[in-house]
Formats: sequence, structure tokens, C-alpha cells
Amino acid sequence: GDSVTQMEGPVTLSEEAFLTINCTYTATGYPSLFWYVQYPGEGLQLLLKATKADDKGSNKGFEATYRKETTSFHLEKGSVQVSDSAVYFCALSDIRTGRRALTFGSGTRLQVQP
Amino acid sequence: KAGVTQTPRYLIKTRGQQVTLSCSPISGHRSVSWYQQTPGQGLQFLFEYFSETQRNKGNFPGRFSGRQFSNSRSEMNVSTLELGDSALYLCASSLSGDLETQYFGPGTRLLVL
Repeated sequence: GDSVTQMEGPVTLSEEAFLTINCTYTATGYPSLFWYVQYPGEGLQLLLKATKADDKGSNKGFEATYRKETTSFHLEKGSVQVSDSAVYFCALSDIRTGRRALTFGSGTRLQVQP
Repeated sequence: KAGVTQTPRYLIKTRGQQVTLSCSPISGHRSVSWYQQTPGQGLQFLFEYFSETQRNKGNFPGRFSGRQFSNSRSEMNVSTLELGDSALYLCASSLSGDLETQYFGPGTRLLVL
């Protein structure tokens, strides 16, 4: 079945450092890919998405490119802020399988220090 | 426009009891999905409802059930609670099940003692 693998956390960075969180996936079809963010005590917020190969999703300075050849969707940000501290989840969906559900990775906790 | 609301936000139950959680979707949204979040298993899909019908179901035992009302509000029920049911239960709504426009609520945190 479909699966998502994320790098283990926590990732600890200083403010203004460059961020990369790795995400790879396994899917039988052609999934859409998502990054969600969860701030302490809150639900999930959609950060960005990409629906086909070579698409680049971007939002709030975060970017991720759908790489079909490496089955990856790595999250990047050029300069992190303390306010970016949260848990980040990579996820996929493949509606063509008939299953309207997200398959999530295990999450990566990001801690940004001033 | 109000977001997805879930009630209650926190709940404590004992083993063997049953519990009902409620989710009110964004106005106009007809699809409601439920997820369970635990430290050990992560985020797992429970089920999805659309127009009062269950369209998709995850791999959970029959103790987990749900329903959707004509106003799109949804409830999920867990019977005969086990310690392992302690989790954050998240509800998400979308217009028609389109995952690209899905919005999550803040969750209900259930603790089973």
C-alpha cells in the first residue's frame, strides 16, 4: 500500500538557518503530495501541495518540488524563524484508487532557537 | 467564515465506557473525515462521510463508528474503550471530498484511564 517516510526529528536550527526536511513516498498510482504543519495544541494546517510531477508548491517561504524520479517531496525554507517551530507532516493521496484519505508520514518536529 | 469546530476539546473516560465526539464542518462543506493521532501510530484515517453516507473507511475495529447528519455535522463513537484509544481525534471537512481543499479542526483529546 501507499506509504510516506520522513526524516526523524527533532530538527534543531538557529534562526535564519536553511531548512530541509526529507520526505519520500511509495504509491502505486500518481498521488498528490502535501505538507501539513501542526502548531502546539492545534490541528493540522495545509502548508503547500503539488498534484503532478515537477510541480513546485510554495507558501510562507516554504517550498517543495514533486520529484517522481526519486519519489520525493522534500520541504525547504531559506531562512527559518522561531515562529516556524512546529511539527511538519508529509502526506499523499491518490483519489484514483477511490480512497479519499490522506496517508501521513510520522512527522518531523522543528525547533528554531533565537 | 467559521472554521471546523470539534467538541468537546478534552475528554477523560475509563476503560469499557463509550464516547461520542462531535464535528461541525465549515458551512457548505459536505465531506467530513476523521483521523486518529497517537505518538506510536501517528496519523491514521478512520472514515469519511459525504451526504450522510460513509464513503471510505480505514482499518479500525468495529468499535469505531460514525455518522453524518443532514446538516453535515458528524459524530464518531467509540464503544468499549481501551487504553490504546487514548489519542487526539481530528476532524477535517471539504466541499466534496477534495483533499486539496480540506480543513482540519483543532481536535478532541481523549484520555482513557
